[in-house]
Amino acid sequence: DAKTTQPPSMDCAEGRAANLPCNHSTISGNEYVYWYRQIHSQGPQYIIHGLKNNETNEMASLIITEDRKSSTLILPHATLRDTAVYYCIVRVGTSYDKVIFGPGTSLSVIP
Amino acid sequence: GAVVSQHPSRVICKSGTSVKIECRSLDFQATTMFWYRQFPKQSLMLMATSNEGSKATYEQGVEKDKFLINHASLTLSTLTVTSAHPEDSSFYICSARRLADNIQYFGAGTRLSVL
Repeated sequence: DAKTTQPPSMDCAEGRAANLPCNHSTISGNEYVYWYRQIHSQGPQYIIHGLKNNETNEMASLIITEDRKSSTLILPHATLRDTAVYYCIVRVGTSYDKVIFGPGTSLSVIP
Repeated sequence: GAVVSQHPSRVICKSGTSVKIECRSLDFQATTMFWYRQFPKQSLMLMATSNEGSKATYEQGVEKDKFLINHASLTLSTLTVTSAHPEDSSFYICSARRLADNIQYFGAGTRLSVL
């Protein structure tokens, strides 16, 4: 059974912020939210992860709601190279847990 | 960032032959590696978890005699597709977990075409 729900597709204008939502209403207290993306015909790329605090790195920002039931991945200035399938994944983050992919969100950045 | 190298990137073989795919973690040691398969327009499906020095754990429905996994060192895991048939044609992707942060990093994938 899926732990996360994401919209199947989204469009974003080049140069604008892309906000990708993810619902994880059954998340447990020790589960992290991870984001990966897969550009066509390539392996998935790790983007960011967080537990309950907002996180930012050179690629993106992750905003997690206070109740942790949803989160948003933000690409601040989307470029055409950000066109990809984005996966939101919930996992414990221990050495015994594995990344299970759902269908993800197909983001198209439009010129 | 952590680098996972996968080789070859593409392979074409005749039906009935065996194909070996290598997965290496280049700048970190990985006691655990994973193998995924992806069909066109579908998401990645986990096939098996590979632990260094022990037998791999296969997901339900994956034939362990067909997909042989060896994880002989902390930086190398191999997947051998034995007696490949056209229905085994797919995109195979490996992943390695870095102990320092428990993040799984992925290789670039191997596209297998069985004629």
